[in-house]
Amino acid sequence: QSALTQPRSVSGSPGQSVTISCSGTSNDVGGYSYVSWYQQYPGKAPKLIIYDVNKRPSGVPDRFSGSKSGNTASLTISGLQAEDEVDYYCCSYSGDYATVVFGGGTKLTVL
Amino acid sequence: QVQLQESGPGLVKPSETLSLTCTVSGGSISGYYWSWIRQPPGKGLEWIGYTFDKGNAKYNPSFNSRLTISVDPSKNQFSLKVTSVTAADTAVYYCAREYGPRYFDYWGLGTLVTVSS
Repeated sequence: QSALTQPRSVSGSPGQSVTISCSGTSNDVGGYSYVSWYQQYPGKAPKLIIYDVNKRPSGVPDRFSGSKSGNTASLTISGLQAEDEVDYYCCSYSGDYATVVFGGGTKLTVL
Repeated sequence: QVQLQESGPGLVKPSETLSLTCTVSGGSISGYYWSWIRQPPGKGLEWIGYTFDKGNAKYNPSFNSRLTISVDPSKNQFSLKVTSVTAADTAVYYCAREYGPRYFDYWGLGTLVTVSS
């Protein structure tokens, strides 16, 4: 199982928007609408912020949005806030083994 | 509100078996997928495997048959065993409810397991 590809880091200024990409293959990201995104604070468990490509769980601000084009999924965070400066992971269903695979994670820096 | 709590030894010797249990409260364990995910220090998340209905399980093939995940509905618990551990198995181990298999909506706090003599 190959991990999905995410940039190691992205940055943006408060109030701006940033997009984190998540690249896979036609056997995972491109083949299914089952991409999810997780936010992880240091020393804490990951928290689900996007599921099924673009759905938000109850309580997640609408500043967080997801999309997909071909084999690449994206997480966009608008109106950046200092508290957004943590790690983000994508995850996709993989048809290879009928399981899931994670991306390597992206650290977001709010300048 | 569903809550999950991992428990088990924090230190395991090389070549021995790592054993963890996840206790689920606030909801039934039946009808869902229950997963284990780990995170080596300073690294990313790695899906280990899941168990679902009647004890069926699916594992990450990269573990080369070292895994067993089982469920005990009477105790609302599920468990993980990893045999022949090495230092590379040192990680924070999370249990989580997997909706699907599509996404993980509830997570435990995580427990650090260190493999060292």
